[in-house]
Amino acid sequence: DIQMTQSPSSLSASVGDSVTITCRASQGINNHLAWFQQKPGKAPKSLIYAVSSLQSGVPSKFSGSGSGTDFTLTISSLQPEDFATYYCQQYTAYPLNFGGGTKVEIK
Amino acid sequence: EVQLVESGGGLVQPGGSLRLSCAASGLTFSDHYMDWVRQPPGTGPEWVGRIRSTARGSTTAYAASVKGRFTISRDDSKNSLYLQMSSLKTEDTAVYYCARELPDNSGFYFFDSWGQGTLVTVSS
Repeated sequence: DIQMTQSPSSLSASVGDSVTITCRASQGINNHLAWFQQKPGKAPKSLIYAVSSLQSGVPSKFSGSGSGTDFTLTISSLQPEDFATYYCQQYTAYPLNFGGGTKVEIK
Repeated sequence: EVQLVESGGGLVQPGGSLRLSCAASGLTFSDHYMDWVRQPPGTGPEWVGRIRSTARGSTTAYAASVKGRFTISRDDSKNSLYLQMSSLKTEDTAVYYCARELPDNSGFYFFDSWGQGTLVTVSS
């Protein structure tokens, strides 16, 4: 199985800050990497697929990068609605594993 | 707009069975790969399994933790996805989401749209 490891597990930031979340795969995943946002009590929301392609309707303040086994999600100019938990996920091989999540909290 | 609405969750005893449904609208359901993803309380999402489109034979794949106990099926005439769960264990307690997949430019499938989820609690 391909293991997905996110860091940090949580971070505190202020409105207007930019933050970067890291996701590392235990082996190469051919850029089959997606990012999701989840707020408490809600379903995950798809943000990015194929490392850097934005899902329809997702603002450009979200950006993804990386290759091979190391990937990042950057959120610029944090707004109150961006405080949530973010997950990465590989979709190159079964099982389709998710990372452990990064909780972005208000400082 | 794609809408996915899960139903069928509830309280079930260990060893019991339950069938979840996911009603889809706003899409040509038969064209799409569909998945079930679950999320135990306080933890991250966990993929349960996938059913490919009818054109791809409606073939299925499952996570090891549910293989042999859970069965995914679809009824394209009803725009519906199902998850039959049997021999349920306490560790199957989770919110269960259905999700649609779309292909990226390389032909691999990513999660695109999600339902709101239905809670399954396995407890005596």
